[in-house]
Formats: sequence, C-alpha cells, structure tokens
Amino acid sequence: GQNIDQPTEMTATEGAIVQINCTYQTSGFNGLFWYQQHAGEAPTFLSYNVLDGLEEKGRFSSFLSRSKGYSYLLLKELQMKDSASYLCAVVRNNRLAFGKGNQVVVIP
Amino acid sequence: GAVVSQHPSRVICKSGTSVKIECRSLDFQATTMFWYRQFPKQSLMLMATSNEGSKATYEQGVEKDKFLINHASLTLSTLTVTSAHPEDSSFYICSARVQEGAADEQYFGPGTRLTVT
Repeated sequence: GQNIDQPTEMTATEGAIVQINCTYQTSGFNGLFWYQQHAGEAPTFLSYNVLDGLEEKGRFSSFLSRSKGYSYLLLKELQMKDSASYLCAVVRNNRLAFGKGNQVVVIP
Repeated sequence: GAVVSQHPSRVICKSGTSVKIECRSLDFQATTMFWYRQFPKQSLMLMATSNEGSKATYEQGVEKDKFLINHASLTLSTLTVTSAHPEDSSFYICSARVQEGAADEQYFGPGTRLTVT
C-alpha cells in the first residue's frame, strides 16, 4: 500500500481550531494535496504543498515537512459546514494516492 | 475556479449492460485526467490515469477490458463500464489535473453514482 496514515475521526466545537495530521512514506514524493469531502459528494480541493513550510488560505492552512514525511491541515474558526472528511493525498509517479480521510464533526 | 463536470450524476442499469460516464473540464485544458472509485466509507481508489491521445494507464487489479477509458481531447475523458455487475455499483469520480509552472492542482468532478441491479 501507499502507507498514508490519518487519524479516523475527531469532534470539535464551533469556533475552535483543529489540526489534522497526515504521515506518509517519503520515497518518490512529489507533492501533497488536501481535500474536503462531504458525504456523498466528490472531494473539493483545499491546498497543495510541494515545498516545506506553511501555506495559508483563509481559515485553512497546510504545512509540509518533506524530511519527516508529515503534513497537517489546520482549520480555524470552525463552522458547522466544516463537518466533513478531510483527505490527504500524496503524488508519486504522476499518480495520486489517498489516505482514508479524517472525519471532523463540528458541534455547536 | 476550475470546473469539472460529470455526466450522468446517477445511473441505474441492469446486470450485463454497459454504462458510459463522461468527464469534462469546462474552462480549462487538463494535462491529465484520473478515474477513481469510492465504496461507502472507504477512501478513493485510483483506477486509471488518462492522457489525451494515448492509452490509459490502469492500476493493478483494474481490468482494462472491463473499464474502457477514452481520452478524446484535453477537455473530455470517458469511462465505460462494460458488462456491469452488482459488485461494480460504486461512486465513480473523475479528476482533471492542471500543471502550470510550480502550480499543480487537481479538480474533481461531482461524481457518478452507479447502481447495477
């Protein structure tokens, strides 16, 4: 397999901050995507990291450390609509391999 | 932003028939298109990678004669599920990849839910 690991589920309160981690095998790595997927829908692109560091886009930020094979997605000021599965996907050899996703449940 | 469409969004067919799913990039030309399958509560599984004008590259375990992929242009790829069986019932999703300089983005279509009876 692709050995992309993500925790399975977390619950957080509206307005809070959550961090979703993703670890992966570093061999052949050529970029990492984060996607949001609501139940029954296709994934929506959130971010792309290919270099080390933090990328910020509004309430969402994504961090990458290539040497550690580690990335995280930070969701700030959580809203109810953020309840979804968050998928990290690693690019290798022009193909995208997905982790199983982390289900985030936002409660009032 | 980039928009990818899929048609149909839902389809129900009888066992043994064939179903064609279209994937279009509406406002951009895609370097590559991908086809995925997702079973309930599972991750997306890549089925094949499709480049315009060339044969698709299938993942291990995916039957190329059963899942026919045609990539006629930079904006259209089709997946045909031939002789469908109930175990082929799944959520099929395409995506289109755009690579420009350092940017590398992949946009997904809305998916097609196939039910084989």
